[in-house]
Amino acid sequence: EDQVTQSPEALRLQEGESSSLNCSYTVSGLRGLFWYRQDPGKGPEFLFTLYSAGEEKEKERLKATLTKKESFLHITAPKPEDSATYLCAVQAGGATNKLIFGTGTLLAVQP
Amino acid sequence: AAGVIQSPRHLIKEKRETATLKCYPIPRHDTVYWYQQGPGQDPQFLISFYEKMQSDKGSIPDRFSAQQFSDYHSELNMSSLELGDSALYFCASSENKAGNTIYFGEGSWLTVV
Repeated sequence: EDQVTQSPEALRLQEGESSSLNCSYTVSGLRGLFWYRQDPGKGPEFLFTLYSAGEEKEKERLKATLTKKESFLHITAPKPEDSATYLCAVQAGGATNKLIFGTGTLLAVQP
Repeated sequence: AAGVIQSPRHLIKEKRETATLKCYPIPRHDTVYWYQQGPGQDPQFLISFYEKMQSDKGSIPDRFSAQQFSDYHSELNMSSLELGDSALYFCASSENKAGNTIYFGEGSWLTVV
C-alpha cells in the first residue's frame, strides 16, 4: 500500500535557525513527489515537484531533495513568515493522478 | 494567474440536510480532484474527474456524489449530512498528465450542526 510519513510532526525554530523536514515514502512506481505549504484554513500552496532520485529544487529559503526512499525540505535561515504546515504528497504509478498526502509538519518560526 | 475557484467559502448546514460545493478549475485544466481535510488531518482523496468522466474514486461516502460538466467545472453534492462531515473540502485541478502540478483551491468550510 502506498504510504507517506512525515517527520517531525511539529518543529519550532528560532529565526535564522536552519533545519530540515523529512518525508519518507513507500509507493509503487513514483511519478512525482510534491511539496506544498498550507496556512491555517487555506488551500495547499504548491512549492516543488521532484521526479527522480538525486533531483534538487530551490525556491528562496527552501530546497527540496529526493532519494529513492525519502525527500527532505531544507529551510535555510527561516523567517517568521515561513511558519506554516508543510505537506508532502506522492503521485503513484497506475491510471490515477491522485496525490497521497503525509500528515504534514507544523513549522513555527519565532522571531 | 488564474487559480482554482471554489464556492461557497463557508457554509453551515444541519444534520440530514444537503449541501453542494462548486469548483472552477484553472483554464485548460481537464482534471478535477476533490479532497476532504478534517481538523489537524492531511487531505484525503475523495474523487477525481477527467474530461467529464470519473477517473478515480477514494474514500467518498455513498451519500456524496460529484460530477464534472462540459465547461469543466465540478460540483460535489453531499446529502444526509452528518456531524462527521464537518471539514474543509478542497478542489484541485491539473492537466491530465502524470507528474503535472496539481493546484488547489482555497477550500470550502462545511460545518454541520
